[in-house]
Amino acid sequence: TQLLEQSPQFLSIQEGENLTVYCNSSSVFSSLQWYRQEPGEGPVLLVTVVTGGEVKKLKRLTFQFGDARKDSSLHITAAQPGDTGLYLCAGPSNTGNQFYFGTGTSLTVIP
Amino acid sequence: GAVVSQHPSRVICKSGTSVKIECRSLDFQATTMFWYRQFPKKSLMLMATSNEGSKATYEQGVEKDKFLINHASLTLSTLTVTSAHPEDSSFYICSAGQTTNQPQHFGDGTRLSIL
Repeated sequence: TQLLEQSPQFLSIQEGENLTVYCNSSSVFSSLQWYRQEPGEGPVLLVTVVTGGEVKKLKRLTFQFGDARKDSSLHITAAQPGDTGLYLCAGPSNTGNQFYFGTGTSLTVIP
Repeated sequence: GAVVSQHPSRVICKSGTSVKIECRSLDFQATTMFWYRQFPKKSLMLMATSNEGSKATYEQGVEKDKFLINHASLTLSTLTVTSAHPEDSSFYICSAGQTTNQPQHFGDGTRLSIL
């Protein structure tokens, strides 16, 4: 099992604040994906990062893949209540036979 | 875009019943699908990798005889929870991608409640 540890586990912030979620592993990943999940639904893909050092932006969300491809971060600028949800990083195993999820970060944005 | 359909979305049944959950890839072929279990406010825990035309690969600690997986075609995988008990109550989610190294697309999950 290739573990993906996310921090923080829970985050509650006021609307308009900025936040960063971290996804760390001791293993190298060929790619990492970030998903957002709402209660009772399946995860929805936000972004895929492939190249070490890569930075991708999706409106107010900025994703970065570590140079060594062992970690990633998600930064949200000026958080809004609609950003509330469970954020998950995930990636394929070295063999490609498994697809593992991080431990998850539950974000609540208070209006 | 790619779509994965999971059925049923909700099951409530008595202890001892076997329950089958279907996962279909609607517009692409998936030689591999993944089955996950999720507890409230927790992340997805990989249960098994479903391989078309061959046996599923189960993660450590997952009972093969309890969670039967069949992947008979390139667009359909099924998970059968056999002789379900209350402790099997959970949210089960499947995923599929065109390859395992590509982003996965998820079904909407099945909420299983065993009374």
